[in-house]
Amino acid sequence: GIQVEQSPPDLILQEGANSTLRCNFSDSVNNLQWFHQNPWGQLINLFYIPSGTKQNGRLSATTVATERYSLLYISSSQTTDSGVYFCAVGNFGNEKLTFGTGTRLTIIP
Amino acid sequence: SAVISQKPSRDICQRGTSLTIQCQVDSQVTMMFWYRQQPGQSLTLIATANQGSEATYESGFVIDKFPISRPNLTFSTLTVSNMSPEDSSIYLCSVYTGQIYGYTFGSGTRLTVV
Repeated sequence: GIQVEQSPPDLILQEGANSTLRCNFSDSVNNLQWFHQNPWGQLINLFYIPSGTKQNGRLSATTVATERYSLLYISSSQTTDSGVYFCAVGNFGNEKLTFGTGTRLTIIP
Repeated sequence: SAVISQKPSRDICQRGTSLTIQCQVDSQVTMMFWYRQQPGQSLTLIATANQGSEATYESGFVIDKFPISRPNLTFSTLTVSNMSPEDSSIYLCSVYTGQIYGYTFGSGTRLTVV
């Protein structure tokens, strides 16, 4: 099956810093999403981005499907950004997602 | 996008008992997906539930341990049977909502087996 790897596995930053999280996948996909899992375990949908670039406030994401990677940018980090960030990929709608290994982000005040 | 109501949000259960988790979606969906997240790990798909047919289980998961019901297009349940401490995990349901929002997840059920 498809392999999804994320880097770095852990990231500790001061409040206000910027960060880039990476997701590499082993095969062609036409679904890719970024999620934020907060400390209570809730999975928040950040971006649905099988290709191209999207921005939402301080967050933006870029997927280069031909090179099989996606990047999540977080600017001006806040303590509420802490948690685990997952990318997940799949093919076609209504088929399962394969989740990456996750990046644990800790923002220090 | 769809809104999913998942219950219970958390529970502490005795080993050997069973727990049923419910997911209600505010719109009709063809498939619902059940995932498990063991402590410190990523999410793993347990099974795909299609209305009117038996659920399809992933390798390593069996119907006797994780029976699933899908009585209509807005509701599904997952039962964790004969629980052991190794079943302590977060369980989440998910649906595909289209090409704008992709997949949406319920708020999760944090299960602790003692």
